[in-house]
Amino acid sequence: NAGVMQNPRHLVRRRGQEARLRCSPMKGHSHVYWYRQLPEEGLKFMVYLQKENIIDESGMPKERFSAEFPKEGPSILRIQQVVRGDSAAYFCASSQQGMNTEAFFGQGTRLTVV
Amino acid sequence: AQKITQTQPGMFVQEKEAVTLDCTYDTSDPSYGLFWYKQPSSGEMIFLIYQGSYDQQNATEGRYSLNFQKARKSANLVISASQLGDSAMYFCAMRGHNFGNEKLTFGTGTRLTIIP
Repeated sequence: NAGVMQNPRHLVRRRGQEARLRCSPMKGHSHVYWYRQLPEEGLKFMVYLQKENIIDESGMPKERFSAEFPKEGPSILRIQQVVRGDSAAYFCASSQQGMNTEAFFGQGTRLTVV
Repeated sequence: AQKITQTQPGMFVQEKEAVTLDCTYDTSDPSYGLFWYKQPSSGEMIFLIYQGSYDQQNATEGRYSLNFQKARKSANLVISASQLGDSAMYFCAMRGHNFGNEKLTFGTGTRLTIIP
C-alpha cells in the first residue's frame, strides 16, 4: 500500500513561470490537504479538497494559486507567475473519510524560484 | 478557530534520557484530534501519534506517549529512552471533527537535539 506520493520532489522555476505540484493520496483516501512550509517555520494550511470539491481554501492566496482534485488522477496545486517568495516546501496529506483518522503526508515538493 | 502553541523552540537532551515536548491548544470544537509529527533533516513529515479528544486513555506508540490533559488543553509528547535518531523537528497539530473544520493546524515546532 503505497503512501502519499508527491512529484516532483524538487522543482526549480524562473520568476514568472508556472509551477504544477502533484499529489496522489493513499489508496482509499478521499481527502487531500495542501500545506506550505517556509524555511525554519511550521506548516501553514492552504487548501482542503475532496474529489471534485474544494472544501476549505481559507489558506490559499487570493491570486496565482489554485488547486483541484479531479475524479480521476492526482490532486494538483498550481502556482502561476511564480515569485521568489513562493520558494518553499509544499506538502500534501491525505486521510480517509471520517474525522477520527490520521492524516499521512507525502515527502513534499521543494519549490525554488530563481 | 484553532490554535496550537509550542513554547520550546529548541531542546538538548542526553541520549537515553526521557524527553517531554510541550504542546497546548485552543479550540471551540467539542470533538477534535491531536497529532504529533516528526520532521527529520531530510524534510519528510512522519506521523508519530494520535489522540482523540474523547479517548479515555492516553495514546501510546512504542517509545512515544501522549500526555493528554484535557482540562489544561495540553497534549505533551513524551519520548522514552531517547536515541540519536530522535534528533529532528517535532510538530504538534490538531484537527476539528466538524465538517469544514477538518484541516490540521500546526504549532511552530520544537527542534530536539539528542546529545551522545
